Amino acid sequence: KQEVTQIPAALSVPEGENLVLNCSFTDSAIYNLQWFRQDPGKGLTSLLLIQSSQREQTSGRLNASLDKSSGRSTLYIAASQPGDSATYLCAVRDISSGSARQLTFGSGTQLTVLP
Amino acid sequence: DTGVSQDPRHKITKRGQNVTFRCDPISEHNRLYWYRQTLGQGPEFLTYFQNEAQLEKSRLLSDRFSAERPKGSFSTLEIQRTEQGDSAMYLCASGGGFQDFSGNTIYFGEGSWLTVV
Repeated sequence: KQEVTQIPAALSVPEGENLVLNCSFTDSAIYNLQWFRQDPGKGLTSLLLIQSSQREQTSGRLNASLDKSSGRSTLYIAASQPGDSATYLCAVRDISSGSARQLTFGSGTQLTVLP
Repeated sequence: DTGVSQDPRHKITKRGQNVTFRCDPISEHNRLYWYRQTLGQGPEFLTYFQNEAQLEKSRLLSDRFSAERPKGSFSTLEIQRTEQGDSAMYLCASGGGFQDFSGNTIYFGEGSWLTVV
């Protein structure tokens, strides 16, 4: 059974810092990996999707990498801003998850960017 | 509106009552998912529809839970005889296509918060 772990569980940084969020997964047989953002009490917003054949994806100040063989992904946020404060969730879509191909999520990293 | 809509956004109910949540997916999407999320945890998969067919159900979906998608468009999730442990956010998500999963993302609604008192 796929397990996804995110470290750290919480992170607090001053505005302007570059930071890295980590995600690891136990089964490397995946279709893709997604990073989501979740604001308090809200739904999930997709940030980046990396296909299993890709190594990284970039969107603005965000860069996500994928090392499928070692079961790791990182989300790099450059020049952090207070508006980046949210919970960041990593999720993988397993090849073995049946016809649903549902996502398996980590517990998230709660990021606070201090002004 | 091109997003996934969920209703109601918040529901407070007494233990033992039944509740129903509705999800309207993005109109052209044939895949629909329900997830449950408790505080401090990531969402957990509950069930999956491809068009009107319910193809997957998690072990989390006890016999008090039932989901439908009668015409392959909107979906409902009903919880009967609610228990305090049912308190959570119920998230709906939809996605398009099912031939190639590698590049397909899914889109989440804002969720429906359930508090059982």
